[in-house]
Amino acid sequence: DAKTTQPTSMDCAEGRAANLPCNHSTISGNEYVYWYRQIHSQGPQYIIHGLKNNETNEMASLIITEDRKSSTLILPHATLRDTAVYYCIVRAIFGNEKLTFGTGTRLTIIP
Amino acid sequence: GAVVSQHPSWVICKSGTSVKIECRSLDFQATTMFWYRQFPKQSLMLMATSNEGSKATYEQGVEKDKFLINHASLTLSTLTVTSAHPEDSSFYICSARGGTGSYEQYFGPGTRLTVT
Repeated sequence: DAKTTQPTSMDCAEGRAANLPCNHSTISGNEYVYWYRQIHSQGPQYIIHGLKNNETNEMASLIITEDRKSSTLILPHATLRDTAVYYCIVRAIFGNEKLTFGTGTRLTIIP
Repeated sequence: GAVVSQHPSWVICKSGTSVKIECRSLDFQATTMFWYRQFPKQSLMLMATSNEGSKATYEQGVEKDKFLINHASLTLSTLTVTSAHPEDSSFYICSARGGTGSYEQYFGPGTRLTVT
């Protein structure tokens, strides 16, 4: 059973910022928020992860609310190549916990 | 970043035959490898977890005698689909995780299996 809730689909105009929300209201103190994406017929690609502070890398930014019950992945300048299914996953970083994928958000970038 | 490869990228086989899929970690030693299956328009479903030198741990509902997993080295795991049937047609994806202190999973590009 997935620990996260995401919208099924979203559209975003090319060049605009894509903001993908995720609810994880039952997240535990030792669980991180991970984001992966899967472009059609490819394996998942790691994007970013965080615990409680906002994170930024070359691909995206991750904003986590203070109560950690939700987060937003931001793609600052979406391109057509960002069209993919985006998965938000919560996972304890220690131990052997597996990555469990929910249904994700299908993001379509509109030219 | 760490690279995981799969071979073949796609395969077509006849019903009743067996097919082997390889998963390799190219630039790191993978103590743990995972096998996922993905049907069209569905999410990834974990099939099994394998640790190098040990028997794989299968998820509930996955037949261990049908999906044989071997993880004989730190860089190679294989999934053999035995006596394949059309309902086994799917996208099979492996991922690998490094040793002590490494918790990140790196995914392979996937293998498309079609059973005719």
